[in-house]
Amino acid sequence: ETGVTQSPTHLIKTRGQQVTLRCSSQSGHNTVSWYQQALGQGPQFIFQYYREEENGRGNFPPRFSGLQFPNYSSELNVNALELDDSALYLCASSLWTGGEDTQYFGPGTRLTVL
Amino acid sequence: GESVGLHLPTLSVQEGDNSIINCAYSNSASDYFIWYKQESGKGPQFIIDIRSNMDKRQGQRVTVLLNKTVKHLSLQIAATQPGDSAVYFCAEGTGFQKLVFGTGTRLLVSP
Repeated sequence: ETGVTQSPTHLIKTRGQQVTLRCSSQSGHNTVSWYQQALGQGPQFIFQYYREEENGRGNFPPRFSGLQFPNYSSELNVNALELDDSALYLCASSLWTGGEDTQYFGPGTRLTVL
Repeated sequence: GESVGLHLPTLSVQEGDNSIINCAYSNSASDYFIWYKQESGKGPQFIIDIRSNMDKRQGQRVTVLLNKTVKHLSLQIAATQPGDSAVYFCAEGTGFQKLVFGTGTRLLVSP
């Protein structure tokens, strides 16, 4: 186990709604990254937070937003849900020391948008 | 744009065989490469990584080879076991932590 947990496990929403997904990082990790994984594809980078600040963003619209808290837990918020937002959402935590550091993934939240 | 791809979408092997999973990457600025294993219903699990200043790294039953000349990465699994059945992803990074993943290779191990 990686020590990274996510909630909820599964979620069903309708188009236009808003959703909040949660992640609890591995103890001591200061960086969290969020990824979207569509069925049959590799994870796509959404954004990353380092010490509560956004530290990089992938090619996702502003309706995808996030927060990282002082205890290193984090949230991914998606507004105005679209059918194509249906995917597995993964968070990954790491201890960034300035170089390349291993990212440890949680089990993901499966979001279905109807 | 950035892309990481795999040559074979599915690899079928017999238990005890050695498996080789290949990956091509396109970003020559990438300096960090990782292999993840993903079982059904689970998140990606770290297997092994390699920095761009290396061409080979070994772990327990796994070896990663990096050929920067042709931008190719491979994962070798020795004595493949049924528990190795999963989807394997290579991913590349460029120093700060954004990872670019390929679409994955499914490894099927028959007893």
